[in-house]
Amino acid sequence: AQRVTQPEKLLSVFKGAPVELKCNYSYSGSPELFWYVQYSRQRLQLLLRHISRESIKGFTADLNKGETSFHLKKPFAQEEDSAMYYCALVGDGGSQGNLIFGKGTKLSVKP
Amino acid sequence: KAGVTQTPRYLIKTRGQQVTLSCSPISGHRSVSWYQQTPGQGLQFLFEYFSETQRNKGNFPGRFSGRQFSNSRSEMNVSTLELGDSALYLCASSLIRDRNNEQFFGPGTRLTVL
Repeated sequence: AQRVTQPEKLLSVFKGAPVELKCNYSYSGSPELFWYVQYSRQRLQLLLRHISRESIKGFTADLNKGETSFHLKKPFAQEEDSAMYYCALVGDGGSQGNLIFGKGTKLSVKP
Repeated sequence: KAGVTQTPRYLIKTRGQQVTLSCSPISGHRSVSWYQQTPGQGLQFLFEYFSETQRNKGNFPGRFSGRQFSNSRSEMNVSTLELGDSALYLCASSLIRDRNNEQFFGPGTRLTVL
């Protein structure tokens, strides 16, 4: 079955500390994975996708097929990074319109 | 350009009633998807529409239905409401239906069932 697991509900770090938000997936084919972010009182928005291999707002994520993971990392957290982060997988429908989301991790960056 | 809009933003209903939620996609976008967000289950896919046809459906009972109009606007309907249907319902649109087109989410409709 297709599934996305984010083991941490809440992650609290101090400003300037490294951050790693964990995401593991279960998918039989070739997965396509995303990280979405929702800042307070804002809409859910795409942060990055594995296929583009880019860094957005200092965040990177590498797909590790052996460990079926797609962890989100940032070397130095900023207070403005505080938000809900969701890992998502394209479902069987084959389009981004059919995403399977993890339950999310709330990142809190303390000053 | 204007983002995805959803109406109404808040809704209170009682058990057994039915409800219709509306979504207007970004101009030019033809694909619309719906998700249910609850504290317990998180974000769950409801259905996806493209060119007025339902292309995918999530694991929800038949009480949940939807449609898409020729102008790409979409509605979803929930009949015989249950307390567990209380949730934030999110709509998302994308240009076309494929893996490469980013979805843009609306602000959601907060449904409370009493």
